[in-house]
This record gives sequence, structure tokens and C-alpha cells, in this order.
Amino acid sequence: SQTIHQWPATLVQPVGSPLSLECTVEGTSNPNLYWYRQAAGRGLQLLFYSVGIGQISSEVPQNLSASRPQDRQFILSSKKLLLSDSGFYLCAWSVGAAGGGNTIYFGEGSWLTVV
Amino acid sequence: GDSVTQMEGPVTLSEEAFLTINCTYTATGYPSLFWYVQYPGEGLQLLLKATKADDKGSNKGFEATYRKETTSFHLEKGSVQVSDSAVYFCALSSGGSNYKLTFGKGTLLTVNP
Repeated sequence: SQTIHQWPATLVQPVGSPLSLECTVEGTSNPNLYWYRQAAGRGLQLLFYSVGIGQISSEVPQNLSASRPQDRQFILSSKKLLLSDSGFYLCAWSVGAAGGGNTIYFGEGSWLTVV
Repeated sequence: GDSVTQMEGPVTLSEEAFLTINCTYTATGYPSLFWYVQYPGEGLQLLLKATKADDKGSNKGFEATYRKETTSFHLEKGSVQVSDSAVYFCALSSGGSNYKLTFGKGTLLTVNP
């Protein structure tokens, strides 16, 4: 069966420090990968998605970036965190596009607090 | 663009009460519709989905029917339990946005014993 792992689960970082969140998917090949952010009271916002190695699409301009160095690995990064980057970050995957009813499966999430 | 509107929370019910969480949408083409649930401190889990008009998704006693004429996908459960306390998200994906889900803002449900 397929599983998704995301880490770290919780982190507290000072403003201006770098960020690296990692996500791996097991049990499937060539998944579509996603990074979402859930800010308090705002629902979920898609940040990045990837349909293949090295292919990243950004949904919103910001000081975050994403990379996909391997088929089942997705990394969210920042060179200098802002207070507004605080939130709950969720990695997700799907087989094929979400359109047509394919399900997106989420990881357990990473709580980021920028202080 | 695509959008999802779901009822504002929080919703507080007693155990065994009837639950309805309203969800309406705007989308291009014929979207697929989803309900996700987020238990405290966890990621999102798919609760149910429907991919075409008049389809009914169901799981764990929850149901939602895809109503194209009213562009709605309301979530219902006949008798809620304390363990159903969570945040519920309505979402859609459409041909105009094939690689992503568009989410509502979520509805917090608290069920008291």
C-alpha cells in the first residue's frame, strides 16, 4: 500500500532562518506531488505541485520554493523565513491529476512557527 | 475561477444529533467533489467523493449527493458521535484546474456527549 511521510512534524524557527521540509511517498511511481499550507482560519492553499522530477509549478508568489530531486521526494524550502510563513504545511500525492476524481492523499503535516 | 463556499463554523451538536454541513461551488465544466476530514493535530483524510451529477458519496455513515442544479454537495450524517469531532473541508477539482483541489475554509464540528 502507499504511504506518505513528512518531517519534521513540528518546528520553531527564528525570522530570517532557512527552512527545509521533506516529504516522501512509498508504494507508487511517478505520483503528482503537492505542498499545501493551512493558515489559521483560512483553509488550505496550494503552494506548489509537481508532475515529475525537476518539474515544479508555483501557485502563489512568496519566499518559499520547492524541489523534486527524486521521483517520490518533495522538498519545501526557504532561504529566509518570515513571520507570515507560520502555519501547518501539508504534503500530498495523487496518481494522475486531481481532475476526473483522482484522490489526493495527505501526509500528517508539519507545524511551523516562526518567531 | 473555481471556488467552494461552506457554512461557517463552529458547529456544536450533542451525540446522536443530525448533522448537515452545507457546501456550494462554482466551477468550470463538470467538477469532481470531495469531502475531507481533519482530526485534531492530524493531516487530511478523504471522507467521500462524487465524480458526476446525482452521484452519492458515502463513508462511515456520512453522505453527500452531487447536485448539479443547485451546485451543492452538502454533507450529512444521521447520528453523530463524539469521535466525529473534527474539521470538515469541502473541495472540488475541475477540468480548468486539473492538478489541484480547491478547498472551502473548513467547518469545525464539536460533538458533546
